[in-house]
Amino acid sequence: KQEVTQIPAALSVPEGENLVLNCSFTDSAIYNLQWFRQDPGKGLTSLLLIQSSQREQTSGRLNASLDKSSGRSTLYIAASQPGDSATYLCAVRHAGTASKLTFGTGTRLQVTL
Amino acid sequence: NAGVTQTPKFRILKIGQSMTLQCTQDMNHNYMYWYRQDPGMGLKLIYYSVGAGITDKGEVPNGYNVSRSTTEDFPLRLELAAPSQTSVYFCASSSSDGGYNEQFFGPGTRLTVL
Repeated sequence: KQEVTQIPAALSVPEGENLVLNCSFTDSAIYNLQWFRQDPGKGLTSLLLIQSSQREQTSGRLNASLDKSSGRSTLYIAASQPGDSATYLCAVRHAGTASKLTFGTGTRLQVTL
Repeated sequence: NAGVTQTPKFRILKIGQSMTLQCTQDMNHNYMYWYRQDPGMGLKLIYYSVGAGITDKGEVPNGYNVSRSTTEDFPLRLELAAPSQTSVYFCASSSSDGGYNEQFFGPGTRLTVL
């Protein structure tokens, strides 16, 4: 059974700092990995999707990497801003199944002034 | 495009009551999903559908039922509400299976069973 773990569970950084969020998964047979942002009381917003054949994806100040063989992904946020404060979730899509996602429990990020 | 919409936003039920959570998407996506998110936890898949008339169980289907009569709509029914079903419910959709297709999420329905 696929298990997805995110460390740390919570993180507080001052504005302007670069930071890394970690995601690990136990079964490397995945189609892709997706990073989401969730604001309090809101739904999920997709940030980046990395195919199993890719090593990284970039969008603005965000960079996500994938090392499928070791079961790890990182989300790098450059020059953090207070508006980045949210919970970040990673989810893996299983290979050979109908698009099912397994989610981690998330990292709650607070960027302070 | 409205994307994925869910109604209601909030609901309080008494034990044993039933209700239907509505989900509609206007992106012509074949795949639709229902997840629940308990406090401090990740999302768990309840049911999913790969097209009209086709549904299948996810990880936590007990106590729920679904139907998919149209491409746009994927309602989730709770027949006999229990306190363990207190959660936030998210509906999602994607265009098809395969590695390039993101899942798009609705804003969620916050359900409390007392």
